[in-house]
Amino acid sequence: QKEVEQDPGPLSVPEGAIVSLNCTYSNSAFQYFMWYRQYSRKGPELLMYTYSSGNKEDGRFTAQVDKSSKYISLFIRDSQPSDSATYLCAMRGTPGSARQLTFGSGTQLTVLP
Amino acid sequence: ETGVTQSPTHLIKTRGQQVTLRCSSQSGHNTVSWYQQALGQGPQFIFQYYREEENGRGNFPPRFSGLQFPNYSSELNVNALELDDSALYLCASSYGGDISTDTQYFGPGTRLTVL
Repeated sequence: QKEVEQDPGPLSVPEGAIVSLNCTYSNSAFQYFMWYRQYSRKGPELLMYTYSSGNKEDGRFTAQVDKSSKYISLFIRDSQPSDSATYLCAMRGTPGSARQLTFGSGTQLTVLP
Repeated sequence: ETGVTQSPTHLIKTRGQQVTLRCSSQSGHNTVSWYQQALGQGPQFIFQYYREEENGRGNFPPRFSGLQFPNYSSELNVNALELDDSALYLCASSYGGDISTDTQYFGPGTRLTVL
């Protein structure tokens, strides 16, 4: 079983829709949670960075972390065609461990105009 | 501020050959991490260098090796290439200070094809 599981999609929504992307994880040592966006044949771009449980909002993007359920989400409001990309969740353990990121396999999102 | 750059963009090698990939870290960053991303998968951690020393390694064989230079740029070397080594190789740089603010910024990647 993988440490991080992510709905693979693909997910296709109309422009303006609210998008929900999700990951579950098994390693309770994970403390830092990130969402990256990756366009085709490009490197991942950091979207959101959160620590422990709670919500964080940045423009149209909201990241949620529920450590008790080992579940994280990214919500995109008023989705745009330019949001079409693969979204990767990533997480990292506590200080003292190597600062490697463990990624989900990515969810491919298409926003239709 | 200059972002993370990688070279070359694309590379084609044959099985058994050796390859060197290069990464220049973002200005002000002293830590470089390398990841392998197979098609349709998330990136897998290869290793990390902090101030020229290896600072952690993922589940990759010893034929994957690396270096970090005094200017914090880095190389990834892969010997005895196998077909399964075909992937996008990503470099990420970060400032290895307070982990609560330490975030990794990725380069565009090098796409390696092994024939």
